[in-house]
Amino acid sequence: DAEITQSPRHKITETGRQVTLACHQTWNHNNMFWYRQDLGHGLRLIHYSYGVQDTNKGEVSDGYSVSRSNTEDLPLTLESAASSQTSVYFCASSANRGRRTGELFFGEGSRLTVL
Amino acid sequence: EDKVVQSPLSLVVHEGDTVTLNCSYEVTNFRSLLWYKQEKKAPTFLFMLTSSGIEKKSGRLSSILDKKELFSILNITATQTGDSAIYLCAVEPHTGNQFYFGTGTSLTVIP
Repeated sequence: DAEITQSPRHKITETGRQVTLACHQTWNHNNMFWYRQDLGHGLRLIHYSYGVQDTNKGEVSDGYSVSRSNTEDLPLTLESAASSQTSVYFCASSANRGRRTGELFFGEGSRLTVL
Repeated sequence: EDKVVQSPLSLVVHEGDTVTLNCSYEVTNFRSLLWYKQEKKAPTFLFMLTSSGIEKKSGRLSSILDKKELFSILNITATQTGDSAIYLCAVEPHTGNQFYFGTGTSLTVIP
């Protein structure tokens, strides 16, 4: 079955360290998204990609970067982790609009703690 | 600015009660509205609504969209403890492939 997987599922790091969260999907979806979820804020979009070599900033992109070198993967990098980036991160994917039911498929989430 | 607002933020009910969750939106060029249920892990898809007045139903859950008044409701009848979760509303505009999420409603069902 197709799926979307994230790793690591839990990570504790220190302020100033670089951290990369991996996201891999086997749906063959063009569109991939990274969200962070915090109490009182819901899901907020960090970065997204509509295809290979395409990346776009979301509403809370400062301090984060992504790259899309193939269809399956969209790693999220925190260049210099800050305590404000302690959160649960969700990766998601969707098919292009013409073939889509409208559904976003989510990974299981990565809980990041920055000390 | 596009936004999605859900209410109430949290709700505690007893098993067997009926609940109504609300989602209002201001999104340019609305295309669809989606409801998700989130338990401990990833959100799971419940419904997608694109047309006003057409109820979507799945078991004890149902949802309807009002595109004139810009809102949707999610109803859960005869609630069970397994319905305890965060319910998320998301809106998709015609332009781009993004989804705008509300903050969610946290539902707790007490035995």
